[in-house]
Amino acid sequence: QSVLTQPPSASGTPGQRVTISCSGSSSNIGSNTVNWYQQLPGTAPKLLIYSNNQRPSGVPDRFSGSKSGTSASLAISGLQSEDEADYYCAAWDDSLNGSWVFGGGTKLTVL
Amino acid sequence: QLQLQESGPGLVKPSETLSLTCTVSGGSISSSSYYWGWIRQPPGKGLEWIGSIYYSGSTYYNPSLKSRVTISVDTSKNQFSLKLSSVTAADTAVYYCARLGLLRHAFDIWGQGTMVTVSS
Repeated sequence: QSVLTQPPSASGTPGQRVTISCSGSSSNIGSNTVNWYQQLPGTAPKLLIYSNNQRPSGVPDRFSGSKSGTSASLAISGLQSEDEADYYCAAWDDSLNGSWVFGGGTKLTVL
Repeated sequence: QLQLQESGPGLVKPSETLSLTCTVSGGSISSSSYYWGWIRQPPGKGLEWIGSIYYSGSTYYNPSLKSRVTISVDTSKNQFSLKLSSVTAADTAVYYCARLGLLRHAFDIWGQGTMVTVSS
């Protein structure tokens, strides 16, 4: 059972906009920034969004992040076939002397 | 550019100690701007943070693994290492090393990962 809650799956057709949610609590998302990672099949995770809504260089602006209260969202606009991957949210959790916590991951399928 | 590479045995017997090393190339592990961490992913499952270390040797661990984990750093070799004791089948996973940026507060560069199986 992951500390952060994500839907196990999401889907969309090419060109569509999809969103993936991430729900936490006051000790993690509620008091710290959220990061998002993209994991393409058979590869290591890659940082997609940091500090709630910042994109590292090289990440297309089709990807955006937001946070409100104890929840966060990742939005992907103009969906492309290469976006088919697993997406994970993560945040620092202030409880129990502190720990990085991840969501269980959302598998995005491009139909 | 900075790269991280995990190395170590791919098979460990139950009750023994898992040992992995992450070699950092293309940059210095002694930078004051970064921590270095280990994250694992059991087959078909999600990510779990194991622990992180600063070049000075300062560490912090996942409370659920703390009693079995030791992370150390060797700045002369530009490496940091993971030891996980008393392993069971539940420790079977792909183990990743990653750089934790203090400014971004995110794991921004990852190694390719190494699969470790716990089995007799």
